[in-house]
Amino acid sequence: EPEVTQTPSHQVTQMGQEVILRCVPISNHLYFYWYRQILGQKVEFLVSFYNNEISEKSEIFDDQFSVERPDGSNFTLKIRSTKLEDSAMYFCASTERGVSGEQYFGPGTRLTVT
Amino acid sequence: EDKVVQSPLSLVVHEGDTVTLNCSYEVTNFRSLLWYKQEKKAPTFLFMLTSSGIEKKSGRLSSILDKKELFSILNITATQTGDSAIYLCAGFNAGNNRKLIWGLGTSLAVNP
Repeated sequence: EPEVTQTPSHQVTQMGQEVILRCVPISNHLYFYWYRQILGQKVEFLVSFYNNEISEKSEIFDDQFSVERPDGSNFTLKIRSTKLEDSAMYFCASTERGVSGEQYFGPGTRLTVT
Repeated sequence: EDKVVQSPLSLVVHEGDTVTLNCSYEVTNFRSLLWYKQEKKAPTFLFMLTSSGIEKKSGRLSSILDKKELFSILNITATQTGDSAIYLCAGFNAGNNRKLIWGLGTSLAVNP
């Protein structure tokens, strides 16, 4: 069964460093999403992406964040200068156009900023 | 502003008990309501409900949607310790920018 994959599973970085989180969505999906979940808190929407551009972004998704689909398969989230409060699980999700709301999630990347 | 509210926030039961988890929603351009189970990492999909009154069932889990009263319930019968997880409910806003509006989740602990 096709699945969303994410790498790395865990990344530890120092404050101020740049990180790139990678996702490979399901191949025939057209809408892509990043979410994050701070430990013990709810899943928060960051950004949605369609047709090679951002469809919507939340207030969390400030200038420190960017997304890219550098090739036909990868979907990346870049945090330019990490802060302690960026420590969280980051989930990528994708959905096939026309399938109403059924988002498939990757296993997540745990980002720890020290 | 769109919102999804789940109750209770936390629940502790014994194996064999039946539980009912609640989810109410106010979501513009509402298309569907989804239930997920989250254990250690990513949420895993359980149900997607689009029509009122039609129960969806998978083993011991079942769910139903009421689009008039804007809520959904998730039932788990004969609970097992493996059912311990956070159960998340999300409303799907199918406007121009499709997105899920998440609830806080119900943390379920099933004790042996």
